[in-house]
Amino acid sequence: NFMLTQPHSVSESPGKTVTISCTRSSGRIASNYVQWFQQRPGSSPTTVIYEDNQRPSGVPDRFSGSIDSSSNSASLTISGLKTEDEADYYCLSYDYNLGYVFGTGTKVTVL
Amino acid sequence: QVQLQESGPGLVKPSQTLSLTCTVSGGSISSGRYYWSWIRQPAGKGLEWIGRIYTSGSTNYNPSLKSRVTMSVDTSKNQFSLNLSSVTAADTAVYFCARGAVVRGSPFDPWGQGTLVTVSS
Repeated sequence: NFMLTQPHSVSESPGKTVTISCTRSSGRIASNYVQWFQQRPGSSPTTVIYEDNQRPSGVPDRFSGSIDSSSNSASLTISGLKTEDEADYYCLSYDYNLGYVFGTGTKVTVL
Repeated sequence: QVQLQESGPGLVKPSQTLSLTCTVSGGSISSGRYYWSWIRQPAGKGLEWIGRIYTSGSTNYNPSLKSRVTMSVDTSKNQFSLNLSSVTAADTAVYFCARGAVVRGSPFDPWGQGTLVTVSS
């Protein structure tokens, strides 16, 4: 089994940059693609990053994803932070035995 | 564009079976390019993948729920369904359905709006 651990919360001022980590507890982070979902209050999640670093159409290029094998983690970076970015963010990966596993979730607050 | 809508009872008694349906509009569920998933979220908590079904009927379930989960697809109605048996209060959650890309793309996109299911006597 593995877990994807995220910081509980991060906060930053508008215009700044935040980075959310997603650390895989066992197995290689690079063994399966990582996705990132944004969930605004009262809404369904939407994809902001898929396949480690791909942005769906309509997602601004302020959102970027990356993988760091040395720390066995993935990261979501939001630059030029806007009030509309305030939401919960979840990472997701796949395991052949477990299926899809979501991260613990991070609440982003725009101060 | 494709839209998904969950439907089913909002209240289920303990030990009974939770049954939900997801209706797909704006696209055919029969496309081999996609699979169809269920995800749930207890109030104030994180997301949990329940399982997925391909149009062929092939399924993958979360091992922690596998003994209680059954999924099916009805291509004539453009719907897929979830049955979760022997429910307890721990199964109280918002249940989402979602489409996933088989080859390239997000595994869950788009999502339905979600439906709250409460397990209580």
